[in-house]
Amino acid sequence: LAKTTQPISMDSYEGQEVNITCSHNNIATNDYITWYQQFPSQGPRFIIQGYKTKVTNEVASLFIPADRKSSTLSLPRVSLSDTAVYYCLVGDNNAGNMLTFGGGTRLMVKP
Amino acid sequence: GAGVSQSPSNKVTEKGKDVELRCDPISGHTALYWYRQRLGQGLEFLIYFQGNSAPDKSGLPSDRFSAERTGESVSTLTIQRTQQEDSAVYLCASSSGGTSLPDNEQFFGPGTRLTVL
Repeated sequence: LAKTTQPISMDSYEGQEVNITCSHNNIATNDYITWYQQFPSQGPRFIIQGYKTKVTNEVASLFIPADRKSSTLSLPRVSLSDTAVYYCLVGDNNAGNMLTFGGGTRLMVKP
Repeated sequence: GAGVSQSPSNKVTEKGKDVELRCDPISGHTALYWYRQRLGQGLEFLIYFQGNSAPDKSGLPSDRFSAERTGESVSTLTIQRTQQEDSAVYLCASSSGGTSLPDNEQFFGPGTRLTVL
């Protein structure tokens, strides 16, 4: 069962790059790493997913080292609207695997 | 509908009563997930369905919790003899059910806020 650890909170300023790291020492071979964003009173929303190396989409990048025991979500040039809780999820969506969310990182973007 | 819907949006009940929470996934999504989120805390995985079967129920907190899914569509999470510690937001998500993107992206509903007095 992959257990994940993330920083509880982070502060940043508008226009800065934010990097949030998730540790998942017990990640299994078939596990993917997925990051979600959650605003208050809403369900989480998918940001990015990767298996190894680097993945980039229109909103973020995900860096995964070769041993896959950690991953780093990178948000370029954050804005006030990026203030949210960010969750790291490790698991295999297939049968028999429990999906484990980290405790979440509360990102506060200041003007 | 266009997204995952859940009902009721809010439920207040008395300790010891049974409650039933409903989730309507995105049409055609074969995988469905239930999570619990206590106030100010992260998401706790409860159970997931592939079609109508739940391969792993070990995330359910106790035998007071049960879930079923019919017609590869709507799912119901039932909590019997509710306790105050059951108070939380219960979130449902669905996905296409594949093992890689885009099929394994989970789409979440707005949640049901359960308050046990």
